[in-house]
Amino acid sequence: DQQVKQNSPSLSVQEGRISILNCDYTNSMFDYFLWYKKYPAEGPTFLISISSIKDKNEDGRFTVFLNKSAKHLSLHIVPSQPGDSAVYFCAASAKGYGQNFVFGPGTRLSVLP
Amino acid sequence: GAGVSQTPSNKVTEKGKYVELRCDPISGHTALYWYRQSLGQGPEFLIYFQGTGAADDSGLPNDRFFAVRPEGSVSTLKIQRTERGDSAVYLCASSLTPGLEGYTFGSGTRLTVV
Repeated sequence: DQQVKQNSPSLSVQEGRISILNCDYTNSMFDYFLWYKKYPAEGPTFLISISSIKDKNEDGRFTVFLNKSAKHLSLHIVPSQPGDSAVYFCAASAKGYGQNFVFGPGTRLSVLP
Repeated sequence: GAGVSQTPSNKVTEKGKYVELRCDPISGHTALYWYRQSLGQGPEFLIYFQGTGAADDSGLPNDRFFAVRPEGSVSTLKIQRTERGDSAVYLCASSLTPGLEGYTFGSGTRLTVV
């Protein structure tokens, strides 16, 4: 039973356009969310996070939106660049869960030049 | 070194054999995680060390899996009587303080059990 879902296995976007990656979760105890990016043969690298007390967090070209009532978050990349092509993972944690972060299965983003 | 180092990068072993996977965290990082990533899945939590002790080992799938960090730096993940289902990429991450945001992941060990 997946607690963190990323229902789009892949996404293709034209360079310069917006990329929107979606993530849904089922556990209402989750209160902290992160996005990670992973290139082939490398470990995941932290991208951006959001706490449940906020509904938006922005860092340069990356913005994460959180809709707690829908248990949904999304990552927006504007403008998309070919170097953004990677697998993106959504991860969630909850107070009392310690350091056990739950990851989604990932979405492969391809930014076409 | 500058990053988290995991050795070997690839390991092929026969079913039933014992394997050890090594993680060298960034110097001075007290928190260390092990995760496992199977094909088409996201990383799955295995164990978390704070210093020398395993603060949370709730993700270890069964008693064939064991991890140690005797001096609070290098960690070894040990798998006994390997099974084909153990095939995955095993990821290690470390940080100065707990919290996955500040973690640096290694590039992983790809374990294949044949």
